[in-house]
Amino acid sequence: AIQLTQSPSSLSASVGDRVTITCRASQGISSALVWFQQKPGRAPKLMIYDASKLESGVPSRFSGSGSGIDFTLTINSLQPEDFATYYCLQFNNFPRTFGQGTKLEIK
Amino acid sequence: EVQLVESGGDLVQPGGSLRLSCAVSGFTFSSYWMTWVRQAPGKGLEWVASIKQDGSEKYYVDSVKGRFTISRDNDKNSLYLQMNSLSAEDTALYFCARGASYNRYWGQGSLVTVSS
Repeated sequence: AIQLTQSPSSLSASVGDRVTITCRASQGISSALVWFQQKPGRAPKLMIYDASKLESGVPSRFSGSGSGIDFTLTINSLQPEDFATYYCLQFNNFPRTFGQGTKLEIK
Repeated sequence: EVQLVESGGDLVQPGGSLRLSCAVSGFTFSSYWMTWVRQAPGKGLEWVASIKQDGSEKYYVDSVKGRFTISRDNDKNSLYLQMNSLSAEDTALYFCARGASYNRYWGQGSLVTVSS
C-alpha cells in the first residue's frame, strides 16, 4: 500500500500567516491526491482535488501543488475558520490511504 | 440536496457483529462508487472500503479483509458495511462518502464501540 507522510504533524500559526503543509507519497501517484479539512466532530470537507484544483466554494487563499511524490497545501492569510486538521488522501490505486493529518492551531 | 445518513452504530462485545447502513438522497446513487472511512477516537482518518457502482468491484484495507463486507442496494439507495469478528481496534466513528476519489459528500458518521 502507498504510504503518505504529512509534515508537520502539528503547526501553530497566527491569523494572517501563510502556512504550508506537505504530503509525501512512498511512490509516484501522478496527481491523484486530494486535501481535506476536518473540524472537531465534523465530517471531512474536500478542499483540493487532483493535487491542485480548488473545490467549488473553497476560498482562493487555499492552494495545492505537486505531482508524483511531493505535494503541498498552502493557506495564505490564515483566517480564524482555517484552524482545523488537514489530511491528504491518495486515490492512485487501492487501498486508498490518508496521511496522518496536520493539526493547525492558533498561536 | 445531497444527503448521506449513516445508522446502525452501537456498543458491541468483542467478537460480535454489526451492520452499518448509509441511506443516500439527492443524487443518482447507482452512478457513483461509494466508500466507508473510519476515525478512531482522537485519531486520524482511515479508509476502510470502496465499492463500484454495480457492486462488481470491492476493495478493503488489509486490517478488515475477511471480516468486513461492503455492499449496496441501488434500488434502495443504500450502502452497507457488515462487520464481523469485531475487536477494540474497530472502535471508531464510521463515515460513508460518495465516490472513491474526490469524496465530495460525507455523512455525519455512526459510532461503533467494541467493548465488554
